[in-house]
Amino acid sequence: DIEMTQSPSSVSASVGDRVTITCRASQGSISWLGWYQQRPGKAPRLLMSAPSTLQDGVPSRFSGSGSGTDFTLTINNLQPEDFATYYCQQASTFPLTFGGGTRVQIK
Amino acid sequence: EVQLVESGGGLVQPGGSLRLSCTASGFTFGDYWMAWVRQVPGKGLEWVGSIRQDGSDKYYMDSVKGRFTFSRDNARNSLYLQMNSLGAEDTAVYFCARGGRRFLQLFDQWGQGIRVTVSS
Repeated sequence: DIEMTQSPSSVSASVGDRVTITCRASQGSISWLGWYQQRPGKAPRLLMSAPSTLQDGVPSRFSGSGSGTDFTLTINNLQPEDFATYYCQQASTFPLTFGGGTRVQIK
Repeated sequence: EVQLVESGGGLVQPGGSLRLSCTASGFTFGDYWMAWVRQVPGKGLEWVGSIRQDGSDKYYMDSVKGRFTFSRDNARNSLYLQMNSLGAEDTAVYFCARGGRRFLQLFDQWGQGIRVTVSS
């Protein structure tokens, strides 16, 4: 199975900051990867498919990069609604696997 | 408006069974892969399995193989998860999710989730 490792597991930031989250696959070359946002008590929301294809309605302050085994989600100009947990997910090979999550907290 | 609504969750004793349903609306259900994803409260997301548009292919996570069964009824716009031999480790919120049009195994629509608690 492909293990997805996210870092950091938690980050504290202020409104207006830039936050970068990384996701690394344990093996192979990931052809399809997604980033999700989950607010407390809510279902996840697909933000983008890597490296950088935003879903409709996702603000442009979200961006992505990477290829192969290493991917990055960047949130520029952090807004109050961005404080949430973010997950990566590889969609290349079954079993599909998620990263452990990165919680973006208010500093 | 796309909607996915799960039902059938609740409290079940260890070793028991439960059947979850997911009713879809607002899109052509039979055109999409569907999946179940679960989440232990306070923990991360865990893919449970996926089912092809016509139900001909199903993929499961190892720990549920032989215990869980997916099915779908495209005429009823419904996805099902039959869970047998439930254990405490299956306690979670279960989400049904729709695979994307382009990236089939990235989930672009989610239900609100339904809680399953396995306890005596």
